Amino acid sequence: GQQVMQIPQYQHVQEGEDFTTYCNSSTTLSNIQWYKQRPGGHPVFLIQLVKSGEVKKQKRLTFQFGEAKKNSSLHITATQTTDVGTYFCAGSKWGNQFYFGTGTSLTVIP
Amino acid sequence: EPEVTQTPSHQVTQMGQEVILRCVPISNHLYFYWYRQILGQKVEFLVSFYNNEISEKSEIFDDQFSVERPDGSNFTLKIRSTKLEDSAMYFCASRGAASNEKLFFGSGTQLSVL
Repeated sequence: GQQVMQIPQYQHVQEGEDFTTYCNSSTTLSNIQWYKQRPGGHPVFLIQLVKSGEVKKQKRLTFQFGEAKKNSSLHITATQTTDVGTYFCAGSKWGNQFYFGTGTSLTVIP
Repeated sequence: EPEVTQTPSHQVTQMGQEVILRCVPISNHLYFYWYRQILGQKVEFLVSFYNNEISEKSEIFDDQFSVERPDGSNFTLKIRSTKLEDSAMYFCASRGAASNEKLFFGSGTQLSVL
């Protein structure tokens, strides 16, 4: 079945440092979405990428979709304590379902 | 912003009992989903529902699980005979018609099977 892996599983950074999480799918995706889940909360949509090689930015967040549409990354510049949470990618293969990645839990040390 | 509503927020049940988890998706959405998340782990897809029928389901969604949209607003997940390993947070989600629509998640129901 569809497998979406993320690395690292956990990341601790000092406030102000950068952070990157990588998402890898076992199969080619039609599109990929990114979600953030705060501790004790539910996943909240961040962005969707559709095109091969696409790069999108949201303030300090940069999202990239690989050329082969099998991998993606999320980079946060100059992390803040408000960035704490687990970041999930979720891939779809022209179906209705999105398969979530294993997640990267980010801790920001003030 | 519109919200997906889930009830109850917590459910405790004995092993072997039936539970029904309830969700009210966003009113103009057409696709409905159940996901579950065991503590500290990833969000696992269970089932998607469209046009009053299941469109896709995962290996987790076996004969013990069923979904229903009994009226125009509610979307339920039933577990017929709960097992200890069913203990998890269950999230309902919905989205609109377009393929690039984002998923809106409810706050979840924490199910504890004793």
